[in-house]
Amino acid sequence: QKEVEQNSGPLSVPEGAIASLNCTYSDRGSQSFFWYRQYSGKSPELIMSIYSNGDKEDGRFTAQLNKASQYVSLLIRDSQPSDSATYLCAVRDFNKFYFGSGTKLNVKP
Amino acid sequence: DGGITQSPKYLFRKEGQNVTLSCEQNLNHDAMYWYRQDPGQGLRLIYYSQIVNDFQKGDIAEGYSVSREKKESFPLTVTSAQKNPTAFYLCATLRGNPGDTQYFGPGTRLTVL
Repeated sequence: QKEVEQNSGPLSVPEGAIASLNCTYSDRGSQSFFWYRQYSGKSPELIMSIYSNGDKEDGRFTAQLNKASQYVSLLIRDSQPSDSATYLCAVRDFNKFYFGSGTKLNVKP
Repeated sequence: DGGITQSPKYLFRKEGQNVTLSCEQNLNHDAMYWYRQDPGQGLRLIYYSQIVNDFQKGDIAEGYSVSREKKESFPLTVTSAQKNPTAFYLCATLRGNPGDTQYFGPGTRLTVL
């Protein structure tokens, strides 16, 4: 069983701050990593994907991957109240995806 | 969710009843998946199918059944053997190219009365 671990939170940050979300995974051979955002009662939507070590930026979001440490993170700059949601980390293994339990983020105005 | 529809949005079931959740997609994606999500938990894989007329059990298949007679459709039946079926059920698709991600339908919330 492949494990994906996340701190459940809640993580509370003030509006305009940087939110840092972390995820670790158990399978050293994993190659594809994804961050999803899920609002309460809704389905997950893709925020970022990352496949290589280092940083990948998309607007206010930056994904960071360190395969040696089996660690992937998501930074949200200039956090907005609309960013308040649960963030799911997912790891792909061939055609199966393994999800963490999610970190709940609260951005306070 | 665009291109993936799930129905109904809300479903209430009496104990001992079987119910079927619908998932339809027009994305022409090969693979389809069913997940279950309980409060405060991540997604757990129930069944998945990579081609028509073939499917595989996921981590929590007991008490569930599926069929894949058409590429567009992957219905999930929650049987009376499923001990605690109250949950949020999500259908997803995958095109299948390396690096592709899954796309999710809007979900069905099932409540057992």
